[in-house]
Amino acid sequence: DAGITQSPRYKITETGRQVTLMCHQTWSHSYMFWYRQDLGHGLRLIYYSAAADITDKGEVPDGYVVSRSKTENFPLTLESATRSQTSVYFCASSESRGFGEKLFFGSGTQLSVL
Amino acid sequence: GQQLNQSPQSMFIQEGEDVSMNCTSSSIFNTWLWYKQDPGEGPVLLIALYKAGELTSNGRLTAQFGITRKDSFLNISASIPSDVGIYFCAGQPYNNNDMRFGAGTRLTVKP
Repeated sequence: DAGITQSPRYKITETGRQVTLMCHQTWSHSYMFWYRQDLGHGLRLIYYSAAADITDKGEVPDGYVVSRSKTENFPLTLESATRSQTSVYFCASSESRGFGEKLFFGSGTQLSVL
Repeated sequence: GQQLNQSPQSMFIQEGEDVSMNCTSSSIFNTWLWYKQDPGEGPVLLIALYKAGELTSNGRLTAQFGITRKDSFLNISASIPSDVGIYFCAGQPYNNNDMRFGAGTRLTVKP
């Protein structure tokens, strides 16, 4: 199925554990993004990537690590999960960034940190 | 500064009614976009606006890029039950490529 797929859809983990959220896109878009969605905050950018091996911080990067060894994959890792990282995480892709950017989102991963 | 204030936070309307929501910022934006999020899904782009004063329609949806470049509105005419969801405004500030999102307007349509 073409588009952006995220896995898992739901994840429960414990404080201090490492967890990785997966994102895969089939559009060959250059740019990929990770956002978190929290009540009252809308969507906030965690990290983005312009191409393979090129990543940069967004608005709320602390506690997260990303990598992009292949253009189609952009995993997000929480190295030591905290309760404040309980959120819904969305991966997105775009052909461009800045003026003209149009984001295509995955269905999200709902993460609970106990 | 570059935060987007979206209002109202929620709306409860009757099927067939028109809906209006808006987004404002204290700083200038180069683009305004409107997304819709269905329950359990990611946001989907509805309309993109790139020029001050631009008025764009997509079916029953109409959005405008404010003349001051600090606001945008979205209208939905003759609402139907499948319009239910959360509508987000988004935009790019004039001095930053990071897309900013409003907190969303949750729309409920009663049949």
